[in-house]
Amino acid sequence: GAGVSQSPSNKVTEKGKDVELRCDPISGHTALYWYRQRLGQGLEFLIYFQGNSAPDKSGLPSDRFSAERTGESVSTLTIQRTQQEDSAVYLCASSLYRTDRSNQPQHFGDGTRLSIL
Amino acid sequence: AQKITQTQPGMFVQEKEAVTLDCTYDTSDPSYGLFWYKQPSSGEMIFLIYQGSYDQQNATEGRYSLNFQKARKSANLVISASQLGDSAMYFCAMREGPTGGRRALTFGSGTRLQVQP
Repeated sequence: GAGVSQSPSNKVTEKGKDVELRCDPISGHTALYWYRQRLGQGLEFLIYFQGNSAPDKSGLPSDRFSAERTGESVSTLTIQRTQQEDSAVYLCASSLYRTDRSNQPQHFGDGTRLSIL
Repeated sequence: AQKITQTQPGMFVQEKEAVTLDCTYDTSDPSYGLFWYKQPSSGEMIFLIYQGSYDQQNATEGRYSLNFQKARKSANLVISASQLGDSAMYFCAMREGPTGGRRALTFGSGTRLQVQP
């Protein structure tokens, strides 16, 4: 399909392991966002990429979290030395970027459900 | 202070009736956008409707309308003629600033709507 694609859909790992989550945005969408959603809660912003600009990392909760994006395509979110508190659904979204308007909706992937044992 | 407040953790509505989901926001930026998303039990985030801070009229999108009261800083979602498929979590979100800066959304904690037959 033409939507945002995330993989894996589910990931179970042991505490202390590193995990890598992947996001394929909608083609042509230059803006890409990562959010975290803990059980029963709203979405927390993690990081934002726009084109070749420096990413906005202001939402990353600790230095164990990092993300990269290759040009205007795939992004990977890496969590090192995972903790049980990292258990959540990690959602990726992409949008068009229009400098003259702020109403471009973000289109979300189905998320990766991360469980830390 | 919370940027987005949704005071109704859960709501019930009879099928075919209208329902209003509350959202208040807090920003000092004169330019901002307000979004509503629906999250069914399957987990995907579905964009419903958008209202810009400078829009003169309340946004409408099919059975969805937004009751935007700028002075009160509220942006309530109205769903008319509720359907069983409307049962889901509903999130209000805000993007501050028209261009540049942080373009990520700030989400409320959500309202779980259950439509009863």
